[in-house]
Amino acid sequence: KQEVTQIPAALSVPEGENLVLNCSFTDSAIYNLQWFRQDPGKGLTSLLLIQSSQREQTSGRLNASLDKSSGRSTLYIAASQPGDSATYLCASKTDSWGKLQFGAGTQVVVTP
Amino acid sequence: DAGVTQSPTHLIKTRGQQVTLRCSPKSGHDTVSWYQQALGQGPQFIFQYYEEEERQRGNFPDRFSGHQFPNYSSELNVNALLLGDSALYLCASSFIGTGAEAFFGQGTRLTVV
Repeated sequence: KQEVTQIPAALSVPEGENLVLNCSFTDSAIYNLQWFRQDPGKGLTSLLLIQSSQREQTSGRLNASLDKSSGRSTLYIAASQPGDSATYLCASKTDSWGKLQFGAGTQVVVTP
Repeated sequence: DAGVTQSPTHLIKTRGQQVTLRCSPKSGHDTVSWYQQALGQGPQFIFQYYEEEERQRGNFPDRFSGHQFPNYSSELNVNALLLGDSALYLCASSFIGTGAEAFFGQGTRLTVV
């Protein structure tokens, strides 16, 4: 059974600092891995999707890497802004049909 | 494109009652999945619908049931509500042809009193 872990549970950084968010998974035979952002009481916004054949994906200030052999994915957010304050969740699928298995998320606060 | 839409946004029900939540998938998507998210936790998979059939199910009791309509929209029904069913219910849609990116709605906040 796939288990997904995100450490730390919470993180506070000053504006302008780069953010590094970690995601670990136990089953390296993943189909894809997706990073989401969630604002309080809201739904999930997809940030980046990495297919199992890819090593990284980039979108603007966001970059996500995937290392299946070590069971890790990392989300980098460059030059953080107060608007980046949210909870970030990672989720993996083990096949095209598969359910998304989520971590508990990392709550990020970017202070001005 | 309106994306994934869910209704209602908030709901208060009494223990023992029944509730129906609704979801319209993103245009072009044929698969709908439902998730339950308790406060401070990641979403937990309830079930997935494709071609109007339940394809996969998570570890939820039979009180949780669903339906998918020919236009791909979906309903989640919960019977005999318990206080512990209070949560944010999220609907996600995707296109099974590529097994690709999942898009989520804004969720329905269910409070059972």
